Amino acid sequence: QVQLVQSGAEVRKPGASVKLSCKASGYTFTSNHMHWVRQAPGQGLEWMGIIKPSDNYISYAQKFQGRVTMTRDTSTSTVYMELTSLRSEDTAVYYCARDFNWGCDYWGQGTLVTVSS
Amino acid sequence: QSALTQPASVSGSPGQSITISCTGTSSDVGGYNYVSWYQQHPGKAPKLMIYEVSNRPSGVSNRFSGSKSGNTASLTISGLQAEDEADYYCNSYTRSTTWVFGGGTKLTVL
Repeated sequence: QVQLVQSGAEVRKPGASVKLSCKASGYTFTSNHMHWVRQAPGQGLEWMGIIKPSDNYISYAQKFQGRVTMTRDTSTSTVYMELTSLRSEDTAVYYCARDFNWGCDYWGQGTLVTVSS
Repeated sequence: QSALTQPASVSGSPGQSITISCTGTSSDVGGYNYVSWYQQHPGKAPKLMIYEVSNRPSGVSNRFSGSKSGNTASLTISGLQAEDEADYYCNSYTRSTTWVFGGGTKLTVL
């Protein structure tokens, strides 16, 4: 069965960086793109970007350009998302989600990132 | 890229039908048949309910249906049930080769 397992909760100070991981299993890792989506407390979903594991194609939301980097390791079927220059507004649950026909059919359990001084 | 526009809340009684709208532009909703809908219960990850405007993933009840007209997509839930109470989000591919979500709609089953 398809599973996306994300890394654990993180706490960072403003200005710091965080790198999250998402390990995929149960399907051919290079067959599907992977999205990153975040949700601030009590707020809606926000699309951050997408990576294509087979050829490393990447597209980022304009809002995060320059602060986000998505990478993948095909040997471990893992995608990573690094966000730099963190501020309090980046406090959110971050999800990875597998692309399926331009939607997201499987989601990770989410990683809470707290940015606080 | 601005978020797609959804009503903040909708409500209905058990057994009734409701429709949630999702309005974008010709650069996203109106330009592509790549609209998806998600259901999210509190504290849970979103669940895909509709993809490519009107397709249901395996296992999703046929009480959920999607459609699109011009720059507006819609999710209809028929035969409302208590467990349908949740937040619903639309999502669309865009001309910028990015994706964008709607602001979300809280569905209350009265």
